[in-house]
Amino acid sequence: GQNIDQPTEMTATEGAIVQINCTYQTSGFNGLFWYQQHAGEAPTFLSYNVLDGLEEKGRFSSFLSRSKGYSYLLLKELQMKDSASYLCAVVDSNYQLIWGAGTKLIIKP
Amino acid sequence: DGGITQSPKYLFRKEGQNVTLSCEQNLNHDAMYWYRQDPGQGLRLIYYSQIVNDFQKGDIAEGYSVSREKKESFPLTVTSAQKNPTAFYLCASSPLAGGYNEQFFGPGTRLTVL
Repeated sequence: GQNIDQPTEMTATEGAIVQINCTYQTSGFNGLFWYQQHAGEAPTFLSYNVLDGLEEKGRFSSFLSRSKGYSYLLLKELQMKDSASYLCAVVDSNYQLIWGAGTKLIIKP
Repeated sequence: DGGITQSPKYLFRKEGQNVTLSCEQNLNHDAMYWYRQDPGQGLRLIYYSQIVNDFQKGDIAEGYSVSREKKESFPLTVTSAQKNPTAFYLCASSPLAGGYNEQFFGPGTRLTVL
């Protein structure tokens, strides 16, 4: 079967750094997405990785290791508005998206 | 402004009634998708459409139906055959079909069946 694992919930402090991990076992791999979703709202695109390595975009960075079936999203200089759920999704061999359950990130002052 | 609209935001229906959720996009995207989101679970694909007048079942299509008569519109009907319809429903679109394309989401419709 296909499986994506993320921690259910994480807590961090405003101004700090947090790393949200995602591990996957899928039938094939054609890329990995990270989306942000505020409560009751639509998910919004953060990043897409298809090659190994780190991609940086402002305060957010995403890392991928295809050999380990592993990705992480790194959030720096945390702000209260970063409180949201972070969804990891993998594109499988049929070019279908497989979604993780998401990680709820709570930011404390 | 280009985007995806879903209406209504909140919808209440009695058990046994069919209900149709609206999804419209003005992004000129070819592909459109319907997802269901339940607490503690990932997004689950109900139906998707790669082109007008064509659509495919996703992982949980039973009890749902769709149509794609126009490029910009992809309504979802939740029928009385759906055993547990109360959920948050998200519509999305992408420029082309294929999971490697970024998907743009509408604001969602929260359906509650009483």
